[in-house]
Amino acid sequence: QQQVKQSPQSLIVQKGGISIINCAYENTAFDYFPWYQQFPGKGPALLIAIRPDVSEKKEGRFTISFNKSAKQFSLHIMDSQPGDSATYFCAAIYNFNKFYFGSGTKLNVKP
Amino acid sequence: DAGVTQSPTHLIKTRGQHVTLRCSPISGHKSVSWYQQVLGQGPQFIFQYYEKEERGRGNFPDRFSARQFPNYSSELNVNALLLGDSALYLCASSRALKRVETQYFGPGTRLLVL
Repeated sequence: QQQVKQSPQSLIVQKGGISIINCAYENTAFDYFPWYQQFPGKGPALLIAIRPDVSEKKEGRFTISFNKSAKQFSLHIMDSQPGDSATYFCAAIYNFNKFYFGSGTKLNVKP
Repeated sequence: DAGVTQSPTHLIKTRGQHVTLRCSPISGHKSVSWYQQVLGQGPQFIFQYYEKEERGRGNFPDRFSARQFPNYSSELNVNALLLGDSALYLCASSRALKRVETQYFGPGTRLLVL
């Protein structure tokens, strides 16, 4: 059973547009929700993260929105750039090392 | 500063063989975790080691084992390889046991089992 469900599988956005990736979870024990960015041939890199007591967190062009009652969270990339083209993974953690990743979203930002 | 390093970068094995993958964490990091990333999927947690002790284990068979050395480097061993073990194996390090949310990933070892 997949602990974290991520959508869409792939996404094409024009330069300057907004990219939105969604994730949903069931286990209410999760207490930390990071997003990772992965370029081909590289390991995932932490992008931004949020705790469930916060509804929104913004860092530069990246924003996480968190809906605890719906058990959903999303990543918004504002003013998307071709350099943002990568695979994005959401994740959820509980008990400090019980780490579950979503299946990934391949983002392609067209110039 | 050097990041997490892994060796080898690529590996081809046949079914039934054994493989050892190696990881060197960032200097000062004492926690090492291993993940399996099958093509097109997110990483799956295999093990976490801290101060040479296993501190967490994912849902993987006993064919998978690991250890951490006094210098905090780590090895992942997989016995009796199956075709389904073909994947990118990622190592990640973090400074403390309970700070895995800020872990840094290495580039991975791509294993192909024929």
